[in-house]
Amino acid sequence: DADVTQTPRNRITKTGKRIMLECSQTKGHDRMYWYRQDPGLGLRLIYYSFDVKDINKGEISDGYSVSRQAQAKFSLSLESAIPNQTALYFCATSDPGGSTDTQYFGPGTRLTVL
Amino acid sequence: GENVEQHPSTLSVQEGDSAVIKCTYSDSASNYFPWYKQELGKRPQLIIDIRSNVGEKKDQRIAVTLNKTAKHFSLHITETQPEDSAVYFCAASIDDYKLSFGAGTTVTVRA
Repeated sequence: DADVTQTPRNRITKTGKRIMLECSQTKGHDRMYWYRQDPGLGLRLIYYSFDVKDINKGEISDGYSVSRQAQAKFSLSLESAIPNQTALYFCATSDPGGSTDTQYFGPGTRLTVL
Repeated sequence: GENVEQHPSTLSVQEGDSAVIKCTYSDSASNYFPWYKQELGKRPQLIIDIRSNVGEKKDQRIAVTLNKTAKHFSLHITETQPEDSAVYFCAASIDDYKLSFGAGTTVTVRA
């Protein structure tokens, strides 16, 4: 089945370290998104991309950067991790040409910054 | 930007009873309102959505209503079952892709 996958699933790192979270999809969707989930705050959009050359900031992009290496791959980087970036991170995809606007989420990456 | 408030934050219901979750939004230009369900340890999944040109939509035991004038929308789950226990998120968007989510409602269905 077509799916959205994320690596790693869990990561513990130290303050100041650079870390990359990766997202791959086999759904053939053009749009990809990165969200973070914090208890009591819901899901907040970090970055989104319409295609390889079109990347946009979301609600909370400070401290993050992204790279869309191919239609199927969208990476999120924390250049210098800080403890308040400890959260559950989700990648998602959607198909603007499809019959619905459903966003399909990956399984999530739990990141802990010590 | 869009601000979505969701209530209640937790909801406990007896199996077979109904559950109602309410959301309000701030941007009157919002026109797309999806609801996502997240089971414990799982990824969020869309369960139903509604657009601003529709006042109500139903899918088996779940329904969503929208009041554009009051800028609020609600999720109704009837005949609740144990598998309905999850966190539910509402969201709003003016452009179908930049979703602003509510903080979530943890629903527990008591047997």
